[in-house]
Amino acid sequence: NAGVTQTPKFRILKIGQSMTLQCAQDMNHNYMYWYRQDPGMGLKLIYYSVGAGITDKGEVPNGYNVSRSTTEDFPLRLELAAPSQTSVYFCASSSRGDSLAKNIQYFGAGTRLSVL
Amino acid sequence: SQELEQSPQSLIVQEGKNLTINCTSSKTLYGLYWYKQKYGEGLIFLMMLQKGGEEKSHEKITAKLDEKKQQSSLHITASQPSHAGIYLCGADKRGFGNEKLTFGTGTRLTIIP
Repeated sequence: NAGVTQTPKFRILKIGQSMTLQCAQDMNHNYMYWYRQDPGMGLKLIYYSVGAGITDKGEVPNGYNVSRSTTEDFPLRLELAAPSQTSVYFCASSSRGDSLAKNIQYFGAGTRLSVL
Repeated sequence: SQELEQSPQSLIVQEGKNLTINCTSSKTLYGLYWYKQKYGEGLIFLMMLQKGGEEKSHEKITAKLDEKKQQSSLHITASQPSHAGIYLCGADKRGFGNEKLTFGTGTRLTIIP
């Protein structure tokens, strides 16, 4: 079972470059999330989506953009990379519902990004 | 905004010893999720707690949610090298206008032979 797949696993960018972090899930989940994880800071929510065509900002959306054209895919776009965006990025998905069990988030393996 | 406090931030334990990690909230939690993260990997779901006083176990890991639903503990019995990693708690704060999970800062567990 693939679950949540993120690509690439590692990437080095120069300041000002752009890139797209890919995320795909095969569990038919409605909800998808993008987090960043900085050392000692836990996970911070960047953007999330409740379904195809619907996205919303999380805690730290500045410098990022997302789109959700299909249920399976939720790419994260960095337009003008800055050193402050050096982090580990995680994509997650959940089916979501009244049951807490449906709200369990399943995570990808992450993308380690360095901006130099 | 409400945050989750995890303690300790890091823990070094000799193999075979027991240990406890805590996750504390200033407000009542709707649900509490425990995850484990190994270096280079994503977060792996461990357990979910919902009811006050609830306790769940999986192999040598036991998670509890206190009666007031404001603190959870994760207890590992007879630790093994495979237990090493970062443990994170996540809270569903639904009921306080926030339907997204909020995560603690994590506890880094090292197991020494």
